[in-house]
Amino acid sequence: DSGVTQTPKHLITATGQRVTLRCSPRSGDLSVYWYQQSLDQGLQFLIQYYNGEERAKGNILERFSAQQFPDLHSELNLSSLELGDSALYFCASSIGTSGETQYFGPGTRLLVL
Amino acid sequence: TQLLEQSPQFLSIQEGENLTVYCNSSSVFSSLQWYRQEPGEGPVLLVTVVTGGEVKKLKRLTFQFGDARKDSSLHITAAQPGDTGLYLCAGARGNEKLTFGTGTRLTIIP
Repeated sequence: DSGVTQTPKHLITATGQRVTLRCSPRSGDLSVYWYQQSLDQGLQFLIQYYNGEERAKGNILERFSAQQFPDLHSELNLSSLELGDSALYFCASSIGTSGETQYFGPGTRLLVL
Repeated sequence: TQLLEQSPQFLSIQEGENLTVYCNSSSVFSSLQWYRQEPGEGPVLLVTVVTGGEVKKLKRLTFQFGDARKDSSLHITAAQPGDTGLYLCAGARGNEKLTFGTGTRLTIIP
């Protein structure tokens, strides 16, 4: 158990809909990262938050947005969903921002029909 | 541009064989981590190497950091079905977050 929790574990929705994925980091970690992993692919970095502020941005679509709240949990919002958005979405956390070990949650499997 | 290229992308071998996977970059990293992701789970840290030329062993897994700190390799001896998974290297540079490699998906056939 990494200490990072993600909800829901599975999500099935239709094209055009909006969903919110939730992540709670390990106790004491200030950074939260979001990654997308499509079938048989590697990790695609989406976005990083550190202590409530956006720290780094990767290949995140304009239809996607995220935020980190004062209690350090984070939410990833995916809107106008398309079939190609079906993937595993992982949240990870680390203590700081400079290359420390990242601890990953169990992921949310999103299926868009 | 992918900073960390891993090869091979896919590898399928018989139980008991040896294998090596590679993580290469044109950039210098202050440290390099290896993660393993088992099917249906998130990646988990295996090891961190920080010194050029460093070799670390974890049971049947041997990790090496290149002398110039631009590349790394993972060697597995006598592979077992439990070694099946996605192996990811990740490099740290300065104040930046970790950069993950492209991954090697390993399947060990019983």
